[in-house]
Amino acid sequence: RKEVEQDPGPFNVPEGATVAFNCTYSNSASQSFFWYRQDCRKEPKLLMSVYSSGNEDGRFTAQLNRASQYISLLIRDSKLSDSATYLCVVGRANFNKFYFGSGTKLNVKP
Amino acid sequence: NAGVTQTPKFQVLKTGQSMTLQCAQDMNHEYMSWYRQDPGMGLRLIHYSVGAGITDQGEVPNGYNVSRSTTEDFPLRLLSAAPSQTSVYFCASRPQGLNEKLFFGSGTQLSVL
Repeated sequence: RKEVEQDPGPFNVPEGATVAFNCTYSNSASQSFFWYRQDCRKEPKLLMSVYSSGNEDGRFTAQLNRASQYISLLIRDSKLSDSATYLCVVGRANFNKFYFGSGTKLNVKP
Repeated sequence: NAGVTQTPKFQVLKTGQSMTLQCAQDMNHEYMSWYRQDPGMGLRLIHYSVGAGITDQGEVPNGYNVSRSTTEDFPLRLLSAAPSQTSVYFCASRPQGLNEKLFFGSGTQLSVL
C-alpha cells in the first residue's frame, strides 16, 4: 500500500469555481503535512503546511483529519494561474522522511 | 539568494556510464535529500542526510551512492547507469523543525540510453 494516495485527476473546472482535493496517508505515526504545487515538471513549491486545527491562506484552505488519516485542500474562486499539479506530502515522526503523493492535476478553464 | 543549486539540468548517458549529480545549498540546512520523479509515481526518496558525515537510504536507494563531506554539498552518484534510472531528479534541503518546508533545486532531467 502506498504511503500517500491521491486522485490523479485531472480536475477540469471553470474560472471562479471551488474545487477540493483529498489525500489519504497510511501511517498513523505521520506528524507533518503539506500541500505543494508543481508546474510542468518544475520543482515543487510549498503551497501551505497543514495544521491539526485546519488553516487558511487566502483562497486556499487545508484540513487534517487524523482519525480518518486524510488531508484536504479547498481552492475557492479558481484562477487560470491555479492550473498545476498539487502534491500531498506527509512526514514521519522523526521528520527525516517525507512521502509524496503522485499528485492531482488541476486545469482551470476560461 | 541561491538556495538549492543543482547541476546539470539535463544529461544523457549510455548504459553502464557513471556520473555525479551535484547539489549545493547555501542556507546552512542540516537536512538534505535526493528524490526521483517518474510519471504517475510522485517523488520517491533515494537517499538523505541529517548532517555532514551522516547519510541514510530512502525508498529507492539501489544503484545510487551519496556522501556528505560538508554541510553545503550532497552529490548523488550513479555508479553504472541503467535505463530504469531515466527520470527527473530533485535535490531538497530543509531546516530542523516540526513543520519546516523542503526547499527544492530546479531538477535534473536524466536519460539513460
